Amino acid sequence: EAGVAQSPRYKIIEKRQSVAFWCNPISGHATLYWYQQILGQGPKLLIQFQNNGVVDDSQLPKDRFSAERLKGVDSTLKIQPAKLEDSAVYLCASSFLQGFGTEAFFGQGTRLTVV
Amino acid sequence: SQQGEEDPQALSIQEGENATMNCSYKTSINNLQWYRQNSGRGLVHLILIRSNEREKHSGRLRVTLDTSKKSSSLLITASRAADTASYFCATVWLQGAQKLVFGQGTRLTINP
Repeated sequence: EAGVAQSPRYKIIEKRQSVAFWCNPISGHATLYWYQQILGQGPKLLIQFQNNGVVDDSQLPKDRFSAERLKGVDSTLKIQPAKLEDSAVYLCASSFLQGFGTEAFFGQGTRLTVV
Repeated sequence: SQQGEEDPQALSIQEGENATMNCSYKTSINNLQWYRQNSGRGLVHLILIRSNEREKHSGRLRVTLDTSKKSSSLLITASRAADTASYFCATVWLQGAQKLVFGQGTRLTINP
């Protein structure tokens, strides 16, 4: 079974530039999560999709971050414009159900450095 | 704010010893999960314990859950160098949107 795929693995951009991350979840997984993990901290949930609908985006900085999950499969997370404090690892995860008694499977993450 | 909080933040032990990590949370949960993260990698699910369970085993892992104290512990027995990683607890809320919320983690170092 293929795992959660993320790209790119690494990205370096200058502040005020834009960047996009891509995630392909495990086939058949209805729930998709995007987390931000700052060095030395735990993952912070940015947005959670159930199929192509948003379940929770309460911690997504909507003035600069956006995410979509077209057709309920792949997802993209965009930052525009980026700030220095956005430097972090962005993790995508998926699960069969909405976090209800099932484990989440994580991708390797995209390490973003904003200079 | 994060739902779960792990304790200690860092733990260093000798290979072969047992490692115990604790997690406290604030609100009612449906289940609690433990994950491991090796440096520079994604998280890997270790074990899930439901709110009506008190103890669960998986290989060298033992997890307990005390809902009255809103706490959980993860015990790794006979530790190995390969167990060196960060360990996170994640809680799944009962109320509102059911989301997976992680604590800050315990960084475990196993010394050979």
